[in-house]
Amino acid sequence: EAGVTQFPSHSVIEKGQTVTLRCDPISGHDNLYWYRRVMGKEIKFLLHFVKESKQDESGMPNNRFLAERTGGTYSTLKVQPAELEDSGVYFCASSPRLADNSDTQYFGPGTRLTVL
Amino acid sequence: QKEVEQDPGPLSVPEGAIVSLNCTYSNSAFQYFMWYRQYSRKGPELLMYTYSSGNKEDGRFTAQVDKSSKYISLFIRDSQPSDSATYLCAMTPYGNKLVFGAGTILRVKS
Repeated sequence: EAGVTQFPSHSVIEKGQTVTLRCDPISGHDNLYWYRRVMGKEIKFLLHFVKESKQDESGMPNNRFLAERTGGTYSTLKVQPAELEDSGVYFCASSPRLADNSDTQYFGPGTRLTVL
Repeated sequence: QKEVEQDPGPLSVPEGAIVSLNCTYSNSAFQYFMWYRQYSRKGPELLMYTYSSGNKEDGRFTAQVDKSSKYISLFIRDSQPSDSATYLCAMTPYGNKLVFGAGTILRVKS
C-alpha cells in the first residue's frame, strides 16, 4: 500500500510569489492533516480535514494560506504571497476514521519550502 | 511556556546501550501519547502509541506514560547505529491535532 506522498519535495521561490503544495493521503483515509516545521522550532499543526470539510484550521498562520481538499482525496496548500517566514518543511499526514477516537497519523516525507 | 518540553540533545551513546528519551507536558487534557522517529530528510514515522498511563513494549522499544507527573519516556534497548535519528514525542487530547516536542537527536556510535 502506498504511503502519504507530497509534491514537490523541495520548492525555492522568491518573496511575493505563489506556491502550491500537494498531498496525496493513503487511500481510504478520511482524515488529512497539514503540519509545518520552521527552522529551529517544533512541528506545528496547521489544519485538519475530514473528507472534504475543514474540521479544524486553528493552526493556519494567516489568510495568505489556503488549503483545499476537493472530493475528499488529495489536498493542496497554497501560500500567496509567500513571505520569508513561511520557509520551512510542510508535512502532510493522514489517518483512517475510527470510532474510538484513537488516531494513528501517517506522515509524508514533507515539502521543503525556501522563500528568498 | 511550551506545552511539550523535550531536550533537543544531541544524545550520543555507544552501540548496545540503553537509551532513555523523555518529554514533559503541561496540558492535563492530553490523553494520547506517541513517539515518532524521523530520519534526515524523511517524514516522522510512528514508533509507539499509548493511551493513558502505564507501559507499552514493542520489541526493543518501551514507552512509559506517567500522567500524574505529566512525563513520558521512550526506552530503547540494545541500541543500534540504525537507531540514529531524531525522536519526537507527540500528544493530543482526543486523537487529532498533535502537539509535538522539539525532538531529540540520537546518535548511536558503532
